[in-house]
Amino acid sequence: DTGVSQNPRHKITKRGQNVTFRCDPISEHNRLYWYRQTLGQGPEFLTYFQNEAQLEKSRLLSDRFSAERPKGSFSTLEIQRTEQGDSAMYLCASSLNSDLGEQYFGPGTRLTVT
Amino acid sequence: KNQVEQSPQSLIILEGKNCTLQCNYTVSPFSNLRWYKQDTGRGPVSLTIMTFSENTKSNGRYTATLDADTKQSSLHITASQLSDSASYICVVSAKSSGDKLTFGTGTRLAVRP
Repeated sequence: DTGVSQNPRHKITKRGQNVTFRCDPISEHNRLYWYRQTLGQGPEFLTYFQNEAQLEKSRLLSDRFSAERPKGSFSTLEIQRTEQGDSAMYLCASSLNSDLGEQYFGPGTRLTVT
Repeated sequence: KNQVEQSPQSLIILEGKNCTLQCNYTVSPFSNLRWYKQDTGRGPVSLTIMTFSENTKSNGRYTATLDADTKQSSLHITASQLSDSASYICVVSAKSSGDKLTFGTGTRLAVRP
């Protein structure tokens, strides 16, 4: 499968625990995006990378959230001290380096914080 | 604040019928508008991308229109199929680095046999 992959697909955690999600983009894509989607809403932008550089972060990304893309390939999104409000689908997308580049989305990681 | 609004919120049609979904946006400065299809529990899949100079684009049975003056777009689905049941999301990109997307809340379409 040469599309965007995300792991795990589902994560259930207790409030206060830390969680980490992984995204593997399409191999030749140098842009990688993270979005969050809650039930009945469209995705909301969290952050994006061009190669290994994190170029923009949304104000939605509180201090408890951190994202990395250490070698410009896969990326991780970590949430520390999870809260129930963090429950959502976390989507990753990748694209070529172009403002008209189509963003290809992964299947998402569904997080449930109990 | 950049916003994208869609209507209707949900729609039920019979298989074989046509339908049109609407999108209004206030994203500025405008770069491009996209329509995505999202099946339940899956990531969105791009249907069309239109820039300021384009006013219509087709992808099979899907035809999108764009009026950049009134900041409106529509997605027309012809001869609907059961597999068209999904959420259709209008997405607008502003002219900024990184092609950050602003998503609408989507129209949930159900096609019944």
